[in-house]
Amino acid sequence: DQQVKQNSPSLSVQEGRISILNCDYTNSMFDYFLWYKKYPAEGPTFLISISSIKDKNEDGRFTVFLNKSAKHLSLHIVPSQPGDSAVYFCAARRSTGTALIFGKGTTLSVSS
Amino acid sequence: DTGVSQDPRHKITKRGQNVTFRCDPISEHNRLYWYRQTLGQGPEFLTYFQNEAQLEKSRLLSDRFSAERPKGSFSTLEIQRTEQGDSAMYLCASSHGAPEAFFGQGTRLTVV
Repeated sequence: DQQVKQNSPSLSVQEGRISILNCDYTNSMFDYFLWYKKYPAEGPTFLISISSIKDKNEDGRFTVFLNKSAKHLSLHIVPSQPGDSAVYFCAARRSTGTALIFGKGTTLSVSS
Repeated sequence: DTGVSQDPRHKITKRGQNVTFRCDPISEHNRLYWYRQTLGQGPEFLTYFQNEAQLEKSRLLSDRFSAERPKGSFSTLEIQRTEQGDSAMYLCASSHGAPEAFFGQGTRLTVV
């Protein structure tokens, strides 16, 4: 069973506009949620995280929103830049463990 | 660059052969993880070390897989009697207690 779901395989956005990437989860025992970005032939790069006790965390152009009642989180990128084109993975950590559980990823394409 | 280092970057092997991968974590990080990523999927957890102790293993880690982290520094992942289904990107990550883990560039294994 997939505990972390990214239902949109791809997203296309114009440069300067907002990119919104979505993620749903099923396990109420997750205490941290993270977003990673991955370029081809490279390992995932950590972007931003949020604790389950918060509903928003912001870092520059990146903001993550958490809606615990809906078991949903989203990553907002404003403004989007061509260099943001990559695969974005949502990940979660159980409060009883250390390993991250990843979604399948969403490929973001930002056109200039 | 003091990031996570993995060696080799690419490995092609014949079915039935043994392979070994190496990971050098960020020097002050006491936690080390191995993940596997196949096409169209997010990284999947394999195993976790805290210092030299292997504290968690996924059920994905069959008997043919073994990992070590002698002296709590670098780690090796060995796959014995490789099968075509072992073809994947093997990712190593490290952390120092924080939820976010920092990934290396991975070792791409192709079993022919």
